[in-house]
Amino acid sequence: GAGVSQSPRYKVAKRGQDVALRCDPISGHVSLFWYQQALGQGPEFLTYFQNEAQLDKSGLPSDRFFAERPEGSVSTLKIQRTQQEDSAVYLCASRKTSGTYTGELFFGEGSRLTVL
Amino acid sequence: RKEVEQDPGPFNVPEGATVAFNCTYSNSASQSFFWYRQDCRKEPKLLMSVYSSGNEDGRFTAQLNRASQYISLLIRDSKLSDSATYLCVVDMRFGAGTRLTVKP
Repeated sequence: GAGVSQSPRYKVAKRGQDVALRCDPISGHVSLFWYQQALGQGPEFLTYFQNEAQLDKSGLPSDRFFAERPEGSVSTLKIQRTQQEDSAVYLCASRKTSGTYTGELFFGEGSRLTVL
Repeated sequence: RKEVEQDPGPFNVPEGATVAFNCTYSNSASQSFFWYRQDCRKEPKLLMSVYSSGNEDGRFTAQLNRASQYISLLIRDSKLSDSATYLCVVDMRFGAGTRLTVKP
């Protein structure tokens, strides 16, 4: 597709449920990032992939959060045993370059998770 | 201490005003610097990169001060359409954003 695609756009989960959020990056983009954005805050870094390798997962807030990109394209962010504080918009971004810090990030529209 | 810090504002300015935002960062070895713009309930989009020598794009000027570890964004002759949240990004880490409202 032309841009980064995320699904679902909206997800409501009961506390304790597991959720999976999907990101389909721009074709050919090497780097993929996940961010968590709470209301009124900036995006908080969660994790970074270069192709299929997860090079940085320092931002994952707990072991309930897990991300994968097994074939170096589509990525899934999984949250186990959701808690109310997990409620946020989860943004995925891809970047053409493989350099750690260079290049423009292209964002998807985000997946808005509400945990009741 | 957060890696990237911004004054959250809000900044409320009249059309035509000049407004400046600053952003400080904690890692002196940081290598990449950007300003992104985020409209309400939309995804962030790149506004401009920030280079060591400073750079300008129309009404927007970005500067980097490595010694003091801050970057700045200057918007001249502000327009109603400039109303948004401005996010500074250092090594792919975002600040909390500064909200700007330009009023007629």
